[in-house]
Amino acid sequence: SQQGEEDPQALSIQEGENATMNCSYKTSINNLQWYRQNSGRGLVHLILIRSNEREKHSGRLRVTLDTSKKSSSLLITASRAADTASYFCATDFYGGATNKLIFGTGTLLAVQP
Amino acid sequence: EPEVTQTPSHQVTQMGQEVILRCVPISNHLYFYWYRQILGQKVEFLVSFYNNEISEKSEIFDDQFSVERPDGSNFTLKIRSTKLEDSAMYFCASSGRGNNSPLHFGNGTRLTVT
Repeated sequence: SQQGEEDPQALSIQEGENATMNCSYKTSINNLQWYRQNSGRGLVHLILIRSNEREKHSGRLRVTLDTSKKSSSLLITASRAADTASYFCATDFYGGATNKLIFGTGTLLAVQP
Repeated sequence: EPEVTQTPSHQVTQMGQEVILRCVPISNHLYFYWYRQILGQKVEFLVSFYNNEISEKSEIFDDQFSVERPDGSNFTLKIRSTKLEDSAMYFCASSGRGNNSPLHFGNGTRLTVT
């Protein structure tokens, strides 16, 4: 079965540093999405990268996708204390129902002020 | 910016009771979903709903679960006879047309079954 796995499970950095999170998956995908979740809250969509794209930027976020390795990375540059949250990758796998997303285990990011 | 709203934010119920979780998706969205997250675990897909019928459901979504869009705005998840293991955060989401439309999630309903 398809499964998203992020690493690291937890990441602690200082404000101003960059944070990189990785995600791996198992089957062919239509797209891969990154979501953020603050403690006890809903998931907020950050960025979507399609299977035919290799890199995408949105503000301080940079996402890469390597379909040959079935992996993606999320880079947050110049991190802020407000970036503290859990970050999840989610894959919309090829041939599945629209937006039947398979979520990864998440990376808990702590940005120290 | 329009958002998905869910009520209640927290629901406590006794085992065997029926619960209805309510959601108001974004008004011009066409696809509706329920996901759940057991404490400390992954977010899991339950069901997707389009054109007034279920598009797909997971193995979790057994006969105890049902969804309904009773009017033009609400989208509900009913659990007929709750079990202890149904305790989780339940998230409603909606999306626009197409495979590459991101999901917009509500803040969730925390269901506690005692």
